[in-house]
Amino acid sequence: GQQLNQSPQSMFIQEGEDVSMNCTSSSIFNTWLWYKQEPGEGPVLLIALYKAGELTSNGRLTAQFGITRKDSFLNISASIPSDVGIYFCAGLSGSARQLTFGSGTQLTVLP
Amino acid sequence: DSGVTQTPKHLITATGQRVTLRCSPRSGDLSVYWYQQSLDQGLQFLIQYYNGEERAKGNILERFSAQQFPDLHSELNLSSLELGDSALYFCASSSRQGLSYEQYFGPGTRLTVT
Repeated sequence: GQQLNQSPQSMFIQEGEDVSMNCTSSSIFNTWLWYKQEPGEGPVLLIALYKAGELTSNGRLTAQFGITRKDSFLNISASIPSDVGIYFCAGLSGSARQLTFGSGTQLTVLP
Repeated sequence: DSGVTQTPKHLITATGQRVTLRCSPRSGDLSVYWYQQSLDQGLQFLIQYYNGEERAKGNILERFSAQQFPDLHSELNLSSLELGDSALYFCASSSRQGLSYEQYFGPGTRLTVT
């Protein structure tokens, strides 16, 4: 089946720093979604991307749909303590009917 | 609040037992998805229903089954439970019209099998 490689697996950053994480695949995806999950909660949809090259922002979060359609990036600017959580990418390819999820990036923001 | 509700929040049961997890989708959403999340497996898609009919199956065990009722709520039935079934179970919903791949997740049910 489809596989998404999400990196890094975990990050420890200082409050105020910018963060970058990405997802890559050997397959072409038509849709990329980014979710955030906090402990004991369900994933929350942050950003959805539908076109190659698309750059979309949601507050301090910016995500991009890679030109090759095989990757996506999520950037968080000026991190704050409430950014702590696990960030998941999810993608949908033309041949698949369901989302494929990455393994997540655990983000820790140090005061 | 995503608008998706799940009950119960926590469930503790013994091996061999059967449980039912319940999900109510966002108002107007016709599709319901079930996922299992365990520590070493990430989010695994189990099954999807659309307007009462099974639409897609993922890595769902034969001991597990689901259904979607006319009022669009869904239930996931887990039987002959094993220790390895302990996990978080999430329900998500999406709209058929427009951007149907934007799935909105409920708060989950934490199942512990002892």
